[in-house]
Amino acid sequence: RKEVEQDPGPFNVPEGATVAFNCTYSNSASQSFFWYRQDCRKEPKLLMSVYSSGNEDGRFTAQLNRASQYISLLIRDSKLSDSATYLCVVLNQAGTALIFGKGTTLSVSS
Amino acid sequence: DAMVIQNPRYQVTQFGKPVTLSCSQTLNHNVMYWYQQKSSQAPKLLFHYYDKDFNNEADTPDNFQSRRPNTSFCFLDIRSPGLGDAAMYLCATSSYSGRAYEQYFGPGTRLTVT
Repeated sequence: RKEVEQDPGPFNVPEGATVAFNCTYSNSASQSFFWYRQDCRKEPKLLMSVYSSGNEDGRFTAQLNRASQYISLLIRDSKLSDSATYLCVVLNQAGTALIFGKGTTLSVSS
Repeated sequence: DAMVIQNPRYQVTQFGKPVTLSCSQTLNHNVMYWYQQKSSQAPKLLFHYYDKDFNNEADTPDNFQSRRPNTSFCFLDIRSPGLGDAAMYLCATSSYSGRAYEQYFGPGTRLTVT
């Protein structure tokens, strides 16, 4: 089983739609979780950290389910500018390195 | 205001010709990382420095070396690049932010091997 797994997509949605991405991780001892956004041929950028029961930042909501080792990202009212690859990221048990999923590609169209 | 700077942004080298990529940061973060990202793949950690302590990932080829002469700078040396080393190389920094490490990436150096 891969350490961090995501549905690669692509997810093609119209503007204004709500879209959800899922991610599972294999190490139950993992403590820290993140969503990063990566635009084509650019560097990853931190979108949001995911803490204990999850958190919200504007149109973005991240949820964590430790029992199922599952993380989600919900984007409401999608914008064209949300088109990107979304990377699910887990901090390793030693707390020294990030483990990236392959990413889920989102394409928002008008 | 650039916080993590990588030079050059694009590098072309010949097969077997040593190449050095550089990274600098203005964040005064104590941890610096080098990742390799190939097309349609996740970034893969090569190694990282915690202050001056070097930490090599187990599967990082010996062909890849790194130097960190001071807090602000870190270099990636590829001693004998092969065609399979063509990739985007990302530098990142972090500092413990209270609950977890949050990493900030530079724009990357895209390496082409001819």
